[in-house]
Amino acid sequence: GAVVSQHPSWVICKSGTSVKIECRSLDFQATTMFWYRQFPKQSLMLMATSNEGSKATYEQGVEKDKFLINHASLTLSTLTVTSAHPEDSSFYICSPTSSGSTYEQYFGPGTRLTVT
Amino acid sequence: AQKITQTQPGMFVQEKEAVTLDCTYDTSDPSYGLFWYKQPSSGEMIFLIYQGSYDQQNATEGRYSLNFQKARKSANLVISASQLGDSAMYFCAMREGLRTSGSRLTFGEGTQLTVNP
Repeated sequence: GAVVSQHPSWVICKSGTSVKIECRSLDFQATTMFWYRQFPKQSLMLMATSNEGSKATYEQGVEKDKFLINHASLTLSTLTVTSAHPEDSSFYICSPTSSGSTYEQYFGPGTRLTVT
Repeated sequence: AQKITQTQPGMFVQEKEAVTLDCTYDTSDPSYGLFWYKQPSSGEMIFLIYQGSYDQQNATEGRYSLNFQKARKSANLVISASQLGDSAMYFCAMREGLRTSGSRLTFGEGTQLTVNP
């Protein structure tokens, strides 16, 4: 399968600061990137979808000004959590896919964010 | 309405026995795909098996098989000869609109499987 990396794997930050999470598809051209959030013992919830070179589409209830997504290239997408609060503490997972893909759906290893 | 329903929050199985994890889905799209993922405590999502809506035969991958009953809209995962390493959270997921590029995956709530020695 494709190799997807996320950095950092875990991060602790203070309330009010911003955190950037990088997702790289190392051997795969990600025309579409999905960003998921997972709270403890819950399922993955889609936050936003971005296509390379375009603005992201956010799911209902997800603040686009708080969760900034950049998908400037086919191998890199970033999620920036701005002015983080303790309730933003979660597991963030990126998931790249390519156009025309039917069943290939890869996931990054995830980033565990803790806001103190 | 829930698109993917997993009714078993937790399941227990003895090592070497088989276990079935339930999944039902709801869609009006004739073209869809069903997925099962394993998520151990490390958090990584591990792809297990895929079933397309037009596939005639049930999918199998090693010890994993998918009991696909289209009319009942169910896609249960069967794990044979359970191993201690199978203990993890298992998610059923669906992608609708397979003809549309970049269509999303929708996940069920998950089933926590514990394999007892």
